[in-house]
Amino acid sequence: DAKTTQPNSMESNEEEPVHLPCNHSTISGTDYIHWYRQLPSQGPEYVIHGLTSNVNNRMASLAIAEDRKSSTLILHRATLRDAAVYYCILSSRGGGADGLTFGKGTHLIIQP
Amino acid sequence: DSGVTQTPKHLITATGQRVTLRCSPRSGDLSVYWYQQSLDQGLQFLIQYYNGEERAKGNILERFSAQQFPDLHSELNLSSLELGDSALYFCASSPRLAELQETQYFGPGTRLLVL
Repeated sequence: DAKTTQPNSMESNEEEPVHLPCNHSTISGTDYIHWYRQLPSQGPEYVIHGLTSNVNNRMASLAIAEDRKSSTLILHRATLRDAAVYYCILSSRGGGADGLTFGKGTHLIIQP
Repeated sequence: DSGVTQTPKHLITATGQRVTLRCSPRSGDLSVYWYQQSLDQGLQFLIQYYNGEERAKGNILERFSAQQFPDLHSELNLSSLELGDSALYFCASSPRLAELQETQYFGPGTRLLVL
């Protein structure tokens, strides 16, 4: 499986935008980029996913590089509730193995 | 609230014992996934069931087994428990198959402590 690389931790201030990077230089043409997050003492929660084009939803935006070797999760206005571990995951379309492969993720700290 | 429920929330048992963890997927979801989260291994995919049939296997030990019942709830059975099996066990569900890039919805987890 293609791997992802994320910073171990990042810190941001409340009400400011946050850009969480993810490198996936060995991504294949059929790999989707998914982001999940895990709030303290909770199960992982879906954030967003995309293939080639940038994506927006009510939680965040996903910016995908033109060569698809990296992507950035953008939280437009961080709140204290956004403090969590954010996982960038590659999932192959039609790959048959449906379980998600979680790495270590980025621990996002939000300062009030 | 994801709509996925797991019982029990906490479980304390002794080495060598056997336990059963239960998961009820979101209404209408056909796929159920089990994950283990430990401090040293992180979140690992164990096994997936789709509409009652085993669909995919991850890093599941032979001492562990699972099944999905006709009402779509699932159980994860852990036997001959060892100290290293202490972890959080999450269940997730999705409408059909993840290879269709569907979102997985995770339950709150069962925390297992083996003494």
